[in-house]
Amino acid sequence: AQSVAQPEDQVNVAEGNPLTVKCTYSVSGNPYLFWYVQYPNRGLQFLLKYITGDNLVKGSYGFEAEFNKSQTSFHLKKPSALVSDSALYFCAVRDGSNYQLIWGAGTKLIIKP
Amino acid sequence: NAGVTQTPKFQVLKTGQSMTLQCAQDMNHEYMSWYRQDPGMGLRLIHYSVGAGITDQGEVPNGYNVSRSTTEDFPLRLLSAAPSQTSVYFCASSYSSLDGAYNEQFFGPGTRLTVL
Repeated sequence: AQSVAQPEDQVNVAEGNPLTVKCTYSVSGNPYLFWYVQYPNRGLQFLLKYITGDNLVKGSYGFEAEFNKSQTSFHLKKPSALVSDSALYFCAVRDGSNYQLIWGAGTKLIIKP
Repeated sequence: NAGVTQTPKFQVLKTGQSMTLQCAQDMNHEYMSWYRQDPGMGLRLIHYSVGAGITDQGEVPNGYNVSRSTTEDFPLRLLSAAPSQTSVYFCASSYSSLDGAYNEQFFGPGTRLTVL
């Protein structure tokens, strides 16, 4: 079965420190992977995606993600966290059978001043 | 551009009532979808459409109907509301006509629905 796992419900990071939000996946065929962010009481916003090519993908707001095929992971990273990065982050992968997105449960990121 | 708009923002229904959640986009996107968001479960796809006149079921379609008569509008109908349909509903659109999973999806602000 195709799936996405975000193993951490919550990640706490001090402002200025690097952050990582983890995502692992299981899909048939080539994986197409996405990260979205949701600020309180808002809809989701696209951050970045991996379709093919370079394993390190750069996205909005200084975020990047590293695709690791052998570990079936697509972790979201940022070198220096900001308080304004505090939000809910979702990883998603394309379902190879019907082309729709399968979503992780989300990780709450809290950046403390 | 207004992007993706949803109305209403909040709604309270009694069990058995019906209603329509409205969604519109002004980006000429062919792909549109409806999701529900429940705590700890991420987003689950209810229905989607790859163009006017074409709709299909997602992961959790039971109790919901959709239609797509124009490119801009994609309403979601709750036929007979149940407490299990208490959730936050998001509409999204994408400029891909083939499917919504290659390209960035643009989300509306959501409708928070409570069914008593």
